[in-house]
Amino acid sequence: AQSVTQLGSHVSVSEGALVLLRCNYSSSVPPYLFWYVQYPNQGLQLLLKYTTGATLVKGINGFEAEFKKSETSFHLTKPSAHMSDAAEYFCAVSPSGGGSEKLVFGKGTKLTVNP
Amino acid sequence: NAGVTQTPKFQVLKTGQSMTLQCAQDMNHNSMYWYRQDPGMGLRLIYYSASEGTTDKGEVPNGYNVSRLNKREFSLRLESAAPSQTSVYFCASSADPGTTEAFFGQGTRLTVV
Repeated sequence: AQSVTQLGSHVSVSEGALVLLRCNYSSSVPPYLFWYVQYPNQGLQLLLKYTTGATLVKGINGFEAEFKKSETSFHLTKPSAHMSDAAEYFCAVSPSGGGSEKLVFGKGTKLTVNP
Repeated sequence: NAGVTQTPKFQVLKTGQSMTLQCAQDMNHNSMYWYRQDPGMGLRLIYYSASEGTTDKGEVPNGYNVSRLNKREFSLRLESAAPSQTSVYFCASSADPGTTEAFFGQGTRLTVV
């Protein structure tokens, strides 16, 4: 069984500051890991994903995440926040080789970017 | 290229009324999904269709039915709406059952009074 914990339902940063959104997972099999972003009144959009290979994954809009097996973590970072990054972010896990029907989502972290 | 299109975008129902949420994708995807999103709960899978002609229950199927009308279309029906079904509903699709990137529609905000 898989589960995802996102630490902090709300995160607030200043424009230009580091963005760090935390995600820890549990999985009984090697996981695939994802970050999705949801802008206000929009559907979810894939930011990045880890399946196999390099543990540092780069996504769209300057975001990246690092898969750390020893810490069961997949934290999302961006060096410098922009106002347009304000959105809700969801971490998700599925078993390796599993389809989207096996995705388990975290509860989401709402990111606010202050001018 | 529209991607995943959901209709309607907003709906208010009275308790006991029925309605069907429509979803269509133009990416020639085999797999389609219905999720609901509630505050503080993330997304939960209601039903999915791995391929045309098949449907399966997800985590929260009670009170819902689905129809995979053809490869493009996957509808979600509420036979007798309840206030607990007030939520935002998302349809999604992916290329195949084993692939992991899902593409989402913009959602239907449903209120049951």
